[in-house]
Amino acid sequence: GAVVSQHPSWVICKSGTSVKIECRSLDFQATTMFWYRQFPKQSLMLMATSNEGSKATYEQGVEKDKFLINHASLTLSTLTVTSAHPEDSSFYICSASPPDRESSPLHFGNGTRLTVT
Amino acid sequence: GQNIDQPTEMTATEGAIVQINCTYQTSGFNGLFWYQQHAGEAPTFLSYNVLDGLEEKGRFSSFLSRSKGYSYLLLKELQMKDSASYLCAAGDSNYQLIWGAGTKLIIKP
Repeated sequence: GAVVSQHPSWVICKSGTSVKIECRSLDFQATTMFWYRQFPKQSLMLMATSNEGSKATYEQGVEKDKFLINHASLTLSTLTVTSAHPEDSSFYICSASPPDRESSPLHFGNGTRLTVT
Repeated sequence: GQNIDQPTEMTATEGAIVQINCTYQTSGFNGLFWYQQHAGEAPTFLSYNVLDGLEEKGRFSSFLSRSKGYSYLLLKELQMKDSASYLCAAGDSNYQLIWGAGTKLIIKP
């Protein structure tokens, strides 16, 4: 089945530094990938839709200059948390859907747990 | 507006049956998804319904009524490993998923 790989699984960084998270679709081409954030005991919150070859679409309230998204190829999207602060500590999850998106479920990466100290 | 409602928490006994309900309101409709999420892990796909009726897949079944904007996930022969959050999500006209807050299912021996 379709597989989405996300790296790293967890990262600890100091406040003020930047962190890059990669999301790869391993056996299909994904023109669209999605980035979610999930705080403890809360549901997934869509941050942005990453479109290959064009600018990402950000959800209301998500700072595009802070959460940089680059979808440089059909199999890779990256999320960079710039100048991270403790309040950015969260579980970040990417997902992608195979081309037959009408009936194909989203496939999720394993998530990245970010802790900012 | 777009909205998904599901219960916050449910408790059931090992070996029993539990039904998790979900109601939705979306701009357009392109299917209803159920995902299972264990604590600290990413969601995993359980089921997809786009037509009315019941879809059975092993111990799990999912039902959809488009006219009522209603779905349920039925879990039979509950096992301790089924303790997890169950997320309901509806696809809107742009195939964007609108997510429910999730139902935390607690299984007791």
